Amino acid sequence: GEDVEQSLFLSVREGDSSVINCTYTDSSSTYLYWYKQEPGAGLQLLTYIFSNMDMKQDQRLTVLLNKKDKHLSLRIADTQTGDSAIYFCAPERDDKIIFGKGTRLHILP
Amino acid sequence: AAGVIQSPRHLIKEKRETATLKCYPIPRHDTVYWYQQGPGQDPQFLISFYEKMQSDKGSIPDRFSAQQFSDYHSELNMSSLELGDSALYFCASRQTNTEAFFGQGTRLTVV
Repeated sequence: GEDVEQSLFLSVREGDSSVINCTYTDSSSTYLYWYKQEPGAGLQLLTYIFSNMDMKQDQRLTVLLNKKDKHLSLRIADTQTGDSAIYFCAPERDDKIIFGKGTRLHILP
Repeated sequence: AAGVIQSPRHLIKEKRETATLKCYPIPRHDTVYWYQQGPGQDPQFLISFYEKMQSDKGSIPDRFSAQQFSDYHSELNMSSLELGDSALYFCASRQTNTEAFFGQGTRLTVV
């Protein structure tokens, strides 16, 4: 995951917004994904953005893409306890998906 | 909607044994990927197939091999298993130029 960087931990109070940031190196990425993984579980595709977009909103999720800075962010509005998980930023490169180390989101009561 | 199916979901093997993991992609998807996720790690790309031909290879040990069959299902074969092979193994599929979907994974435990 050295081509994709994201902070390892984030703590947010229940009801607040969570913002998970990611930087990547390959400017040719076409699809940029966000996956959610709960303990011991599989990879759940949360959302993705295509490289010709700069924003995508899907219910509580907002993805922002700054191609110039190679920066991707995921905002979760009204964070709930069920949002507690590891979130992987995963841009596509050379027709394969490259994962960051993941950000562990912890929800404070 | 059909998803990517992996089997088995859990597998326990002893050191030096062989394991075979299976992946059934979403119908009409032409590309299959295999990933390995060690404990506390991010998923690492192993190998991919496009239209049944190997298309890319990542950090896959020589002890591992994979293939995609005429019905598009794929198998990952792992021989001479080592303790360090204990991991979650994910398969993903996609139709070219569309988003990729992952299966639930196979948890391999080598004892």
